[in-house]
Amino acid sequence: GENVEQHPSTLSVQEGDSAVIKCTYSDSASNYFPWYKQELGKGPQLIIDIRSNVGEKKDQRIAVTLNKTAKHFSLHITETQPEDSAVYFCAASIRSGGGADGLTFGKGTHLIIQP
Amino acid sequence: EADIYQTPRYLVIGTGKKITLECSQTMGHDKMYWYQQDPGMELHLIHYSYGVNSTEKGDLSSESTVSRIRTEHFPLTLESARPSHTSQYLCASSEFSKLFFGSGTQLSVL
Repeated sequence: GENVEQHPSTLSVQEGDSAVIKCTYSDSASNYFPWYKQELGKGPQLIIDIRSNVGEKKDQRIAVTLNKTAKHFSLHITETQPEDSAVYFCAASIRSGGGADGLTFGKGTHLIIQP
Repeated sequence: EADIYQTPRYLVIGTGKKITLECSQTMGHDKMYWYQQDPGMELHLIHYSYGVNSTEKGDLSSESTVSRIRTEHFPLTLESARPSHTSQYLCASSEFSKLFFGSGTQLSVL
């Protein structure tokens, strides 16, 4: 089955700096790569996703890049703000548009924004 | 904002008790899921359903059971709780591949 590795497990950055979280996946058939953000006391929430026919996607201060050849994808957050502090999960699925039971999550990155 | 609700928010019970964690969604989604989140944050799929009367076990073996009698309701039951069941339980529904999570139930079994 699919295996998703996520690094680092904890990332501390100064407010205003950029943060990068990296994930690798094992199944070359994976074609859908979402990122979820979990704030304290809440469930994870989808913040951005990318499909395998796209190399990069941006939404304001966040962007995701995908390298299919190397089987890795990354989340980039620019101009970090205190509200970016949360746990971030990457995931990979071989069933784009299908059920989330085919989704494999990484172990999460705790992002800490230092004032 | 996702319309998926979990109750109770926190539950502390003694060993051997039967418990039911409630999950309801008002989005009309057919697919629903239960995840167990350990203290190290990792998410483990324990049950899912593709619709009424459909239930499947997830990747992580769990002693809990689920039922899906109504589209909007997906409760999880533990017949006899043990300390090893202490964890955060997250319910979710999905539209295509996008998951909508509830706020979770933090279960502590003493």
